[in-house]
Amino acid sequence: ETGVTQTPRHLVMGMTNKKSLKCEQHLGHNAMYWYKQSAKKPLELMFVYSLEERVENNSVPSRFSPECPNSSHLFLHLHTLQPEDSALYLCASSQDLVISPLHFGNGTRLTVT
Amino acid sequence: AQTVTQSQPEMSVQEAETVTLSCTYDTSESDYYLFWYKQPPSRQMILVIRQEAYKQQNATENRFSVNFQKAAKSFSLKISDSQLGDAAMYFCAYRSPNSGGSNYKLTFGKGTLLTVNP
Repeated sequence: ETGVTQTPRHLVMGMTNKKSLKCEQHLGHNAMYWYKQSAKKPLELMFVYSLEERVENNSVPSRFSPECPNSSHLFLHLHTLQPEDSALYLCASSQDLVISPLHFGNGTRLTVT
Repeated sequence: AQTVTQSQPEMSVQEAETVTLSCTYDTSESDYYLFWYKQPPSRQMILVIRQEAYKQQNATENRFSVNFQKAAKSFSLKISDSQLGDAAMYFCAYRSPNSGGSNYKLTFGKGTLLTVNP
């Protein structure tokens, strides 16, 4: 079992749909992250949670709504997305916010039609 | 703000040969961490190697080693005895140990796509 599991692996949604991405970490880490990976661009940090508290919101549009019910689970709720939101969404976790390396999941490939 | 630059969008290497991937970064801090991540077609970002800026000795992890030049702000990755399984996108990343602000962020370069030819 991988340390960080993301579901679904692929998602196609219309602009008026509501969907959620799920991330679960089995590493006992205290911090979790959402990153967006678009073609030919560096990874963009979206949200950071530490011990279930949001500590970073990187000017992400409100159509993306994170939820962290406990230190092992992280969700990204999606609604009224735009085609430019199509990307690979990566979840990661780390032991702490400062020096520990991040452990990533396999990502969800999102296509907005 | 910290920036990370990978000047080689693509590189190729023959199996069993050695290849070096370049990375430079810009920072005003003296203490930080540098990482190389690998992203194969499976899409999972995998940590390859890590370097603490206060350590002068270059990090080594089996066939992977780095050439860390702090004054030049350079952090290149050398892959020795390249294998087909090394084919992937490689990302250089920077992280500050200072808490607060946006220092939670792991700043990534745009990546280098490595092809390994049999």
